Amino acid sequence: EAGVAQSPRYKIIEKRQSVAFWCNPISGHATLYWYQQILGQGPKLLIQFQNNGVVDDSQLPKDRFSAERLKGVDSTLKIQPAKLEDSAVYLCASISDRGAGEQFFGPGTRLTVL
Amino acid sequence: GNSVTQMEGPVTLSEEAFLTINCTYTATGYPSLFWYVQYPGEGLQLLLKATKADDKGSNKGFEATYRKETTSFHLEKGSVQVSDSAVYFCALSDHNAGNMLTFGGGTRLMVKP
Repeated sequence: EAGVAQSPRYKIIEKRQSVAFWCNPISGHATLYWYQQILGQGPKLLIQFQNNGVVDDSQLPKDRFSAERLKGVDSTLKIQPAKLEDSAVYLCASISDRGAGEQFFGPGTRLTVL
Repeated sequence: GNSVTQMEGPVTLSEEAFLTINCTYTATGYPSLFWYVQYPGEGLQLLLKATKADDKGSNKGFEATYRKETTSFHLEKGSVQVSDSAVYFCALSDHNAGNMLTFGGGTRLMVKP
């Protein structure tokens, strides 16, 4: 089966600009996660969706970050305006409702903010 | 809240050496435990998992046992290869929190020929 798809793979922007990332989870996976992985650290959850509803966005900096999953399939994560400290890899993951907590990760989008 | 602590790297070993990467966790319930691996330039891949106490996860010669009494999930391999060079992440999944993953900081393993 196809894995989790993400685009773009790399993005370089200047601070105060906006950027958007796209994720298409594994077909049939109702739950989707966005994680932020800063260089040298483990991934940290930003937001979790169940179908098109938000389950947990307590770690999302809502003054600048937003995410949506309008049709319960693919999702977009947006940063506006970007700050230097947003430089990181943004990972999307999905999970089957029947799985034992195993999440499947996409390749990530590496964002560099100059 | 939940947390995962793993030994800091980098860990540098010679080929065929024995590997241990320590991982301990704090959780309010009974989480599932995972080891993920990130090879250079690639995404996170599940290496192995254990869903309840005393379970042993294994894959590609790696093993880890879910120890509830010591809240640990140490990763071991009897004989490492150069191709095992990667960053290894210990993580827990909280079934009471939407199965979100809490990761440790990662341990970089470098295996020299």
